[in-house]
Amino acid sequence: AQTVTQSQPEMSVQEAETVTLSCTYDTSESDYYLFWYKQPPSRQMILVIRQEAYKQQNATENRFSVNFQKAAKSFSLKISDSQLGDAAMYFCPSPTQGGSEKLVFGKGTKLTVNP
Amino acid sequence: DVKVTQSSRYLVKRTGEKVFLECVQDMDHENMFWYRQDPGLGLRLIYFSYDVKMKEKGDIPEGYSVSREKKERFSLILESASTNQTSMYLCASTPLRETYNEQFFGPGTRLTVL
Repeated sequence: AQTVTQSQPEMSVQEAETVTLSCTYDTSESDYYLFWYKQPPSRQMILVIRQEAYKQQNATENRFSVNFQKAAKSFSLKISDSQLGDAAMYFCPSPTQGGSEKLVFGKGTKLTVNP
Repeated sequence: DVKVTQSSRYLVKRTGEKVFLECVQDMDHENMFWYRQDPGLGLRLIYFSYDVKMKEKGDIPEGYSVSREKKERFSLILESASTNQTSMYLCASTPLRETYNEQFFGPGTRLTVL
């Protein structure tokens, strides 16, 4: 079974500091997208950033950026200038084998932002 | 604006009751999903539908069934609710595209079975 590993169940960061959340995945697909989703206490899953596997350049979206290492199947999320509103669960789903419609999710990382 | 709605934010049911969770999307998406979210376990796929009346079991289908009679609506059914089905249920949808599979989520239903 394909898996996604988020090795940090919980992380904390001081407001205005930088934090990196790690993610490794396991897919045999060659062309795919990767995502980071954020789930704040309101429970609404929100897309934070996306990365196409064929693009070598790491995606950036304002204070959020990724470090995508395709060969290592690693996809970490860096949050710069952390804000209180960044506190949430973060998930990095990856595609399943043989069917691009489905995603497999890891257990998530709970990020706390301290004022 | 993309919208996925779920019929209830909170639901309390009794053991043995038949429970319906409804999900509606207004984006004309072909694919729809039901997930269950539990602390420490992440999101687990219950069922997936790729077209009207078409469904596929996910990783944890036991105790659940689904119905998709219209493209925009995907229902999750607990035939006889049990306490171990107390959980958060998330619905999602995605269009039929070859590789781009961003999922759009509803706000979730927190179900408590007493």
